[in-house]
Amino acid sequence: EPEVTQTPSHQVTQMGQEVILRCVPISNHLYFYWYRQILGQKVEFLVSFYNNEISEKSEIFDDQFSVERPDGSNFTLKIRSTKLEDSAMYFCASSEEGYAGELFFGEGSRLTVL
Amino acid sequence: AQSVTQPDIHITVSEGASLELRCNYSYGATPYLFWYVQSPGQGLQLLLKYFSGDTLVQGIKGFEAEFKRSQSSFNLRKPSVHWSDAAEYFCAVVLYNTDKLIFGTGTRLQVFP
Repeated sequence: EPEVTQTPSHQVTQMGQEVILRCVPISNHLYFYWYRQILGQKVEFLVSFYNNEISEKSEIFDDQFSVERPDGSNFTLKIRSTKLEDSAMYFCASSEEGYAGELFFGEGSRLTVL
Repeated sequence: AQSVTQPDIHITVSEGASLELRCNYSYGATPYLFWYVQSPGQGLQLLLKYFSGDTLVQGIKGFEAEFKRSQSSFNLRKPSVHWSDAAEYFCAVVLYNTDKLIFGTGTRLQVFP
């Protein structure tokens, strides 16, 4: 069964460093998303991406964050200068038809900022 | 304030017992409604969704949910719980004309044999 894959599964970084989280969505999907879950808290929307551009972003998704689909298969989330409060599990999701269909989530990338 | 509320943080049931997980929302218009499940170390999986029509929706793994407009609720139910149902359950909404899923705080389900 096709699945969304995320790498790395866990990354530890120093505060102020740049981090890139990678996602390979399901191949025929057109809608892509990043969500995050701080330990013990609820899952929060970060950004949605369709037709090679951001369609919506949350207030969390400030200038330190960016997304890219560099080669038609990968979908990356970059955090330019990490802060302690960026420590969280980051989930990528993809969908064939947005929320009208089903979002398929990856298993997440755990980011720990020291 | 606009929100999705799951009043029960943690529920424990015996295997074979019935289950109901509560979800309430407070938005001006009826949003699109979803239930997701997250097993330990796994991503989120869609159980079911409601957009319109029949207010009782069937999902995967024997789950169902009922939309009640008068109560702004979308409670998840299962008649007989299995040990493998132990997981975290999230209610979520999408507001009309937006492109983001808003999650509740989750209910952790524990199942005893």
